[in-house]
Amino acid sequence: DAGVIQSPRHEVTEMGQEVTLRCKPISGHDYLFWYRQTMMRGLELLIYFNNNVPIDDSGMPEDRFSAKMPNASFSTLKIQPSEPRDSAVYFCASSLGLHEQYFGPGTRLTVT
Amino acid sequence: DQQVKQNSPSLSVQEGRISILNCDYTNSMFDYFLWYKKYPAEGPTFLISISSIKDKNEDGRFTVFLNKSAKHLSLHIVPSQPGDSAVYFCAASGLGSARQLTFGSGTQLTVLP
Repeated sequence: DAGVIQSPRHEVTEMGQEVTLRCKPISGHDYLFWYRQTMMRGLELLIYFNNNVPIDDSGMPEDRFSAKMPNASFSTLKIQPSEPRDSAVYFCASSLGLHEQYFGPGTRLTVT
Repeated sequence: DQQVKQNSPSLSVQEGRISILNCDYTNSMFDYFLWYKKYPAEGPTFLISISSIKDKNEDGRFTVFLNKSAKHLSLHIVPSQPGDSAVYFCAASGLGSARQLTFGSGTQLTVLP
């Protein structure tokens, strides 16, 4: 298996632009998670899905952030409009009914 | 309020010696604990886990110890190798939120050749 796939690996955008991050979980996994890593706050959970249904989005910082999972093999995290303070590394992770989550390589987002 | 704490931001160890990474937690509802390793420009990689019904779990060179009364866990790496140099994150999950991991801030381990 290729593991969790994220795209793009790096994204540089200007303030006010829409940003879409993509994730393909490991085939067969029923949970998908989006995390953000910053120097100040470390790794924090933004939202997670179970069987494509959002379960807990309490970590989503603002309404500018939204996430979807239209099918079992694809999820997006969208920021609209983006702001410089959104600059961070965004990780997607998936798991199969267990505690162990498997992470993708991350997307480094820079908003100027 | 940090529920999972890794108080040592960095640790240096000589190759071949033991590395001990520590983690403390405050939430009594946590019942499952994990260690992840992270290399630069990569995502965290699952390393080893332990359930609260155990006090030790071993996998090759890696052993995790859990002291529930002290709300403390540790990761032992023996013998340490230069390839073990990475950031190690402790994570915990608990009843009612079993799928949510709460991460510590990480410890940078450097194994010196």
